[in-house]
Amino acid sequence: GAVVSQHPSRVICKSGTSVKIECRSLDFQATTMFWYRQFPKKSLMLMATSNEGSKATYEQGVEKDKFLINHASLTLSTLTVTSAHPEDSSFYICSASSRDRGSYEQYFGPGTRLTVT
Amino acid sequence: SQKIEQNSEALNIQEGKTATLTCNYTNYSPAYLQWYRQDPGRGPVFLLLIRENEKEKRKERLKVTFDTTLKQSLFHITASQPADSATYLCALLPPEAAGNKLTFGGGTRVLVKP
Repeated sequence: GAVVSQHPSRVICKSGTSVKIECRSLDFQATTMFWYRQFPKKSLMLMATSNEGSKATYEQGVEKDKFLINHASLTLSTLTVTSAHPEDSSFYICSASSRDRGSYEQYFGPGTRLTVT
Repeated sequence: SQKIEQNSEALNIQEGKTATLTCNYTNYSPAYLQWYRQDPGRGPVFLLLIRENEKEKRKERLKVTFDTTLKQSLFHITASQPADSATYLCALLPPEAAGNKLTFGGGTRVLVKP
Protein backbone atom coordinates (compact mmCIF):
# COMPACT_ATOMS: atom_id res chain seq x y z
CA GLY A 1 0.00 0.00 0.00
CA ALA A 2 0.84 3.74 -0.01
CA VAL A 3 1.72 4.05 -3.67
CA VAL A 4 2.22 7.45 -5.24
CA SER A 5 2.60 7.89 -8.96
CA GLN A 6 3.82 10.81 -11.04
CA HIS A 7 3.28 11.59 -14.66
CA PRO A 8 5.20 12.14 -16.81
CA SER A 9 8.42 10.57 -15.61
CA ARG A 10 10.43 12.67 -18.06
CA VAL A 11 9.57 15.75 -20.06
CA ILE A 12 11.53 17.98 -22.37
CA CYS A 13 10.03 21.31 -23.29
CA LYS A 14 11.04 24.50 -25.03
CA SER A 15 11.78 27.65 -23.13
CA GLY A 16 8.65 29.74 -22.59
CA THR A 17 6.18 26.87 -22.60
CA SER A 18 4.29 25.47 -19.62
CA VAL A 19 4.50 21.95 -18.26
CA LYS A 20 2.06 20.14 -16.00
CA ILE A 21 3.13 17.34 -13.68
CA GLU A 22 0.56 15.09 -12.02
CA CYS A 23 0.90 13.40 -8.66
CA ARG A 24 -1.58 10.72 -7.64
CA SER A 25 -2.00 8.66 -4.51
CA LEU A 26 -3.19 5.33 -5.87
CA ASP A 27 -4.41 3.42 -2.84
CA PHE A 28 -5.04 5.99 -0.14
CA GLN A 29 -6.51 9.43 0.31
CA ALA A 30 -3.80 12.02 0.68
CA THR A 31 -4.73 14.70 3.16
CA THR A 32 -1.62 16.63 2.30
CA MET A 33 0.66 16.62 -0.70
CA PHE A 34 4.11 18.12 -0.95
CA TRP A 35 6.18 19.22 -3.92
CA TYR A 36 9.97 19.12 -3.88
CA ARG A 37 12.70 19.83 -6.36
CA GLN A 38 16.10 18.23 -6.30
CA PHE A 39 19.29 19.24 -8.10
CA PRO A 40 21.97 16.66 -8.91
CA LYS A 41 23.67 15.31 -5.80
CA LYS A 42 21.70 17.71 -3.65
CA SER A 43 18.97 17.18 -1.12
CA LEU A 44 15.26 17.64 -1.59
CA MET A 45 14.08 21.21 -1.27
CA LEU A 46 10.45 21.69 -0.31
CA MET A 47 8.63 23.99 -2.70
CA ALA A 48 5.10 23.93 -1.38
CA THR A 49 2.56 22.12 0.72
CA SER A 50 -1.00 21.63 -0.42
CA ASN A 51 -4.11 20.40 1.32
CA GLU A 52 -7.08 19.19 -0.63
CA GLY A 53 -9.44 21.98 -1.51
CA SER A 54 -7.28 24.80 -0.25
CA LYS A 55 -4.55 26.99 -1.65
CA ALA A 56 -0.99 25.74 -1.50
CA THR A 57 1.47 27.15 0.98
CA TYR A 58 4.72 28.06 -0.72
CA GLU A 59 8.15 28.08 0.82
CA GLN A 60 10.14 31.26 0.93
CA GLY A 61 11.72 32.05 -2.40
CA VAL A 62 9.34 29.92 -4.46
CA GLU A 63 7.28 31.93 -6.93
CA LYS A 64 3.67 30.90 -6.65
CA ASP A 65 2.79 32.42 -10.03
CA LYS A 66 5.48 30.37 -11.70
CA PHE A 67 4.82 27.09 -9.94
CA LEU A 68 1.06 26.65 -9.89
CA ILE A 69 -0.22 23.94 -7.61
CA ASN A 70 -3.71 22.53 -7.68
CA HIS A 71 -4.87 19.93 -5.18
CA ALA A 72 -8.27 19.22 -6.62
CA SER A 73 -9.02 15.96 -4.87
CA LEU A 74 -7.71 13.68 -2.15
CA THR A 75 -5.84 11.64 -4.72
CA LEU A 76 -4.54 14.20 -7.20
CA SER A 77 -2.28 17.22 -7.08
CA THR A 78 -0.75 18.98 -10.07
CA LEU A 79 2.27 21.21 -10.44
CA THR A 80 2.39 23.47 -13.48
CA VAL A 81 5.68 25.13 -14.32
CA THR A 82 4.66 28.21 -16.28
CA SER A 83 6.86 29.92 -18.85
CA ALA A 84 9.62 27.45 -18.17
CA HIS A 85 13.25 28.46 -18.52
CA PRO A 86 16.42 26.36 -18.58
CA GLU A 87 17.08 27.13 -14.91
CA ASP A 88 13.81 25.36 -14.09
CA SER A 89 15.34 22.12 -15.30
CA SER A 90 15.37 19.84 -12.30
CA PHE A 91 14.00 16.67 -10.74
CA TYR A 92 10.55 17.33 -9.30
CA ILE A 93 9.20 14.95 -6.69
CA CYS A 94 5.85 14.88 -4.97
CA SER A 95 4.90 13.15 -1.76
CA ALA A 96 1.67 12.48 0.05
CA SER A 97 0.67 11.94 3.62
CA SER A 98 -2.55 10.86 5.21
CA ARG A 99 -4.06 11.20 8.66
CA ASP A 100 -5.27 7.64 8.33
CA ARG A 101 -1.69 6.47 7.90
CA GLY A 102 -0.30 8.47 10.78
CA SER A 103 0.34 11.74 9.00
CA TYR A 104 4.04 11.81 9.73
CA GLU A 105 5.16 9.41 7.06
CA GLN A 106 5.44 10.79 3.56
CA TYR A 107 5.14 8.53 0.55
CA PHE A 108 7.06 9.76 -2.42
CA GLY A 109 6.38 9.53 -6.10
CA PRO A 110 9.07 8.34 -8.52
CA GLY A 111 9.86 11.87 -9.63
CA THR A 112 9.67 13.80 -12.89
CA ARG A 113 12.78 14.88 -14.75
CA LEU A 114 12.14 18.23 -16.43
CA THR A 115 14.54 19.51 -19.06
CA VAL A 116 13.93 22.94 -20.54
CA THR A 117 15.79 23.64 -23.76
CA SER B 1 16.14 27.30 11.16
CA GLN B 2 17.02 23.66 11.47
CA LYS B 3 20.26 22.56 9.87
CA ILE B 4 20.89 18.91 9.14
CA GLU B 5 24.28 17.46 8.36
CA GLN B 6 25.02 14.13 6.82
CA ASN B 7 28.40 12.98 5.66
CA SER B 8 28.59 14.08 2.06
CA GLU B 9 31.40 11.67 1.28
CA ALA B 10 30.37 8.32 -0.10
CA LEU B 11 30.67 5.36 2.23
CA ASN B 12 32.37 2.38 0.61
CA ILE B 13 31.89 -0.84 2.49
CA GLN B 14 32.55 -4.51 1.96
CA GLU B 15 29.61 -6.85 1.62
CA GLY B 16 28.66 -8.42 4.94
CA LYS B 17 29.98 -5.54 7.04
CA THR B 18 27.89 -3.01 8.93
CA ALA B 19 27.43 0.43 7.41
CA THR B 20 26.93 3.26 9.88
CA LEU B 21 25.63 6.64 8.76
CA THR B 22 25.38 9.80 10.82
CA CYS B 23 22.77 12.52 10.90
CA ASN B 24 23.47 15.58 13.04
CA TYR B 25 21.10 18.46 13.56
CA THR B 26 21.25 21.86 15.16
CA ASN B 27 18.58 23.89 16.86
CA TYR B 28 15.50 22.21 18.28
CA SER B 29 14.97 18.50 18.78
CA PRO B 30 12.56 17.13 16.24
CA ALA B 31 9.44 15.30 17.19
CA TYR B 32 10.24 12.65 14.61
CA LEU B 33 13.35 11.69 12.74
CA GLN B 34 13.01 9.64 9.58
CA TRP B 35 15.33 7.78 7.27
CA TYR B 36 14.75 7.33 3.56
CA ARG B 37 16.51 5.48 0.79
CA GLN B 38 16.87 7.07 -2.63
CA ASP B 39 18.11 5.34 -5.75
CA PRO B 40 19.41 7.40 -8.72
CA GLY B 41 16.59 9.04 -10.66
CA ARG B 42 13.95 7.83 -8.23
CA GLY B 43 11.94 9.30 -5.39
CA PRO B 44 12.87 8.54 -1.77
CA VAL B 45 11.47 5.46 -0.10
CA PHE B 46 10.51 5.60 3.56
CA LEU B 47 12.51 3.23 5.76
CA LEU B 48 12.18 4.04 9.45
CA LEU B 49 10.74 6.64 11.78
CA ILE B 50 11.91 7.21 15.34
CA ARG B 51 10.22 9.46 17.86
CA GLU B 52 12.00 11.85 20.20
CA ASN B 53 11.24 9.66 23.21
CA GLU B 54 12.65 6.54 21.56
CA LYS B 55 16.28 5.54 21.76
CA GLU B 56 16.40 2.82 19.15
CA LYS B 57 14.29 1.33 16.37
CA ARG B 58 14.89 -1.78 14.29
CA LYS B 59 13.53 -3.12 11.06
CA GLU B 60 15.06 -6.27 9.64
CA ARG B 61 18.75 -5.44 8.99
CA LEU B 62 18.27 -1.75 9.75
CA LYS B 63 18.76 -0.05 13.07
CA VAL B 64 18.29 3.60 13.95
CA THR B 65 19.33 5.31 17.17
CA PHE B 66 18.30 8.76 18.34
CA ASP B 67 20.29 10.77 20.88
CA THR B 68 18.59 14.08 21.61
CA THR B 69 21.45 15.12 23.91
CA LEU B 70 24.02 14.76 21.14
CA LYS B 71 21.44 15.89 18.56
CA GLN B 72 22.37 12.92 16.47
CA SER B 73 20.88 9.88 14.82
CA LEU B 74 22.86 6.87 13.66
CA PHE B 75 21.61 4.58 10.90
CA HIS B 76 23.06 1.09 10.69
CA ILE B 77 22.79 -1.45 7.89
CA THR B 78 23.96 -4.80 9.19
CA ALA B 79 25.15 -7.64 6.97
CA SER B 80 25.23 -5.19 4.09
CA GLN B 81 24.54 -6.39 0.55
CA PRO B 82 25.32 -4.84 -2.84
CA ALA B 83 21.57 -4.20 -3.20
CA ASP B 84 21.84 -1.81 -0.26
CA SER B 85 23.88 0.57 -2.42
CA ALA B 86 21.92 3.83 -2.57
CA THR B 87 21.77 7.29 -1.05
CA TYR B 88 20.29 7.46 2.43
CA LEU B 89 18.55 10.62 3.59
CA CYS B 90 17.60 11.63 7.08
CA ALA B 91 14.69 13.98 7.57
CA LEU B 92 13.32 15.80 10.57
CA LEU B 93 9.81 16.78 11.52
CA PRO B 94 9.58 19.71 13.95
CA PRO B 95 7.80 19.37 17.30
CA GLU B 96 4.90 21.57 16.27
CA ALA B 97 4.49 19.41 13.18
CA ALA B 98 3.33 22.47 11.35
CA GLY B 99 1.92 21.11 8.12
CA ASN B 100 4.07 18.01 8.64
CA LYS B 101 6.90 19.65 6.72
CA LEU B 102 10.04 17.58 6.60
CA THR B 103 13.54 19.03 6.44
CA PHE B 104 16.01 16.77 4.65
CA GLY B 105 19.71 16.31 5.04
CA GLY B 106 21.96 16.17 2.01
CA GLY B 107 22.17 12.38 2.08
CA THR B 108 25.04 9.93 2.23
CA ARG B 109 25.77 7.63 -0.67
CA VAL B 110 26.55 4.04 0.29
CA LEU B 111 28.36 1.65 -2.02
CA VAL B 112 28.51 -1.96 -0.94
CA LYS B 113 31.17 -3.92 -2.77
CA PRO B 114 30.84 -7.66 -3.26
